[in-house]
Amino acid sequence: DAGITQSPRHKVTETGTPVTLRCHQTENHRYMYWYRQDPGHGLRLIHYSYGVKDTDKGEVSDGYSVSRSKTEDFLLTLESATSSQTSVYFCALRGAGGTGELFFGEGSRLTVL
Amino acid sequence: DQQVKQNSPSLSVQEGRISILNCDYTNSMFDYFLWYKKYPAEGPTFLISISSIKDKNEDGRFTVFLNKSAKHLSLHIVPSQPGDSAVYFCAASDTFLMLTFGGGTRLMVKP
Repeated sequence: DAGITQSPRHKVTETGTPVTLRCHQTENHRYMYWYRQDPGHGLRLIHYSYGVKDTDKGEVSDGYSVSRSKTEDFLLTLESATSSQTSVYFCALRGAGGTGELFFGEGSRLTVL
Repeated sequence: DQQVKQNSPSLSVQEGRISILNCDYTNSMFDYFLWYKKYPAEGPTFLISISSIKDKNEDGRFTVFLNKSAKHLSLHIVPSQPGDSAVYFCAASDTFLMLTFGGGTRLMVKP
């Protein structure tokens, strides 16, 4: 257990509304990631963070923004949700070992109507 | 263009037999490869990994093989058990900063 908590776990919203997903960790890991999982696409990286206020874009960052104002929290925001953003979102931490292994949260299922 | 591909979306195997899951990659800079297992409504969990300096790594019933010249890796599960039924993702890294995942293969192990 890498001490990762995602909230909310489930959310239904309407097109055009803002949505924020939260990832909280208890183990002071430096690197945090947001992935989305879609059938046939596997897990695709949205954004990642390598420290407080240090973030960068991943493969599918359009329509998403992130913030990390403190080590333990990494927020993913959809400024104006679209139906194409219906997905399962996973937060992950990079382990302390130098192998690139990631530890994932349980996921947040977002449905945009 | 997907840099990591799992061409079989699903695989069905009888309990006790071998399961072989395959993964291909295109980026020759990848030097570390991982397999993750995912059950429904849970996050992916790390299963086994291999560095590009090796061609085989074993952990109990799980063995990963790497063929760098073919840019291909495979995960062997022997013997397969019903509890192994899950979605398996392969992933690759060239920087230890980010992982690139394949599309996943759903393994079903029948009793």
